[in-house]
Amino acid sequence: DAGVIQSPRHEVTEMGQEVTLRCKPISGHNSLFWYRQTMMRGLELLIYFNNNVPIDDSGMPEDRFSAKMPNASFSTLKIQPSEPRDSAVYFCASSLSIRPTTNEKLFFGSGTQLSVL
Amino acid sequence: AQTVTQSQPEMSVQEAETVTLSCTYDTSENNYYLFWYKQPPSRQMILVIRQEAYKQQNATENRFSVNFQKAAKSFSLKISDSQLGDTAMYFCAFIPGAGSYQLTFGKGTKLSVIP
Repeated sequence: DAGVIQSPRHEVTEMGQEVTLRCKPISGHNSLFWYRQTMMRGLELLIYFNNNVPIDDSGMPEDRFSAKMPNASFSTLKIQPSEPRDSAVYFCASSLSIRPTTNEKLFFGSGTQLSVL
Repeated sequence: AQTVTQSQPEMSVQEAETVTLSCTYDTSENNYYLFWYKQPPSRQMILVIRQEAYKQQNATENRFSVNFQKAAKSFSLKISDSQLGDTAMYFCAFIPGAGSYQLTFGKGTKLSVIP
């Protein structure tokens, strides 16, 4: 398997524009996570899906952020409108089980480096 | 709420030497799991080693081992025979054992292996 695939690897956009980040989890994994990494706050969980259903979106910073998982092989994280403070690395991760880090490994993608000017 | 603290923002070690990265955590849980993740310049987070709190024996994975002190809430990572490929950010992480899915990460330690 190719692992968790994220696109784009880098995204540069202007304030106010819409940004869509994409993720393809490992085939057969039924848990998917979006994390954000910044220097100030470190790694934070934004949202968690299980079997394509959002279970916990309490980490989503505000209404400008939305995430979808229309099927088991694809998820998006959208920011609209984007702001400079959204600049960060956004990671997608997937796992086989609902408790991925106890019985099963959590696999991360390589992240999307987002820069909002 | 759980917290994870890594007190060493940066460290360096000579190639082939041993280095220890520190991590402390705070929790009221009795059963939980602790992890060390490596983030090389490629950015991908890679699991290095995992420790279950109810296991007294320290986990080991080849050149990587941990010193888990439950009473002190300390979880340090020892890298033996350091290699250039060990240069990376290292993150300590915690998850409660009671059905939680949310990892809490420390801020990381940047390790440089010097040839």
